[in-house]
Amino acid sequence: KAGVTQTPRYLIKTRGQQVTLSCSPISGHRSVSWYQQTPGQGLQFLFEYFSETQRNKGNFPGRFSGRQFSNSRSEMNVSTLELGDSALYLCASSPGLAEYYEQYFGPGTRLTVT
Amino acid sequence: TQLLEQSPQFLSIQEGENLTVYCNSSSVFSSLQWYRQEPGEGPVLLVTVVTGGEVKKLKRLTFQFGDARKDSSLHITAAQPGDTGLYLCAGEAQGAQKLVFGQGTRLTINP
Repeated sequence: KAGVTQTPRYLIKTRGQQVTLSCSPISGHRSVSWYQQTPGQGLQFLFEYFSETQRNKGNFPGRFSGRQFSNSRSEMNVSTLELGDSALYLCASSPGLAEYYEQYFGPGTRLTVT
Repeated sequence: TQLLEQSPQFLSIQEGENLTVYCNSSSVFSSLQWYRQEPGEGPVLLVTVVTGGEVKKLKRLTFQFGDARKDSSLHITAAQPGDTGLYLCAGEAQGAQKLVFGQGTRLTINP
């Protein structure tokens, strides 16, 4: 099976702009989660989508949003970018109904805000 | 406040040595996972432990879940340069359906 893919891999944006990141989960996986990874805060949970519905949400401002399509592909959007949004954004998929919440991560999108 | 505390944060040892990484919390977890992340890649799941006191082995890596399901350890025997990476523990609080991650342990094995 192909793994989780994320596009683009690298992105440079200017403060105030918005950005959309894309994630394609492992075939058959219905759950997609997004995480932000920074050197200072580590890996932090943004939100999870399951069958096109947001099932869980972390403690991030409303500028961070996402959606999931009927084919389980997901997008994450960040509006009004701030310098502090510079991070590695990781997408992870899982079957969604498994007994344990195991995550299969993509390679990430490295976002730099200048 | 970091729900999961990992120690040490950095560890640099010589090839062939043994090491242990710890993951501690005051909270009870229904499951705990260990991941390894290499530069430019996403974390890769190594193991999931679910029962208090459980021990799992993956070649030279031994994972243990504490009896009270609040802590875990990762022991590597005869470390090799290929073990170099960022090791992350992650716990699923009961009923939470999401993971909280520790800050990670950056391990360097020198030839």
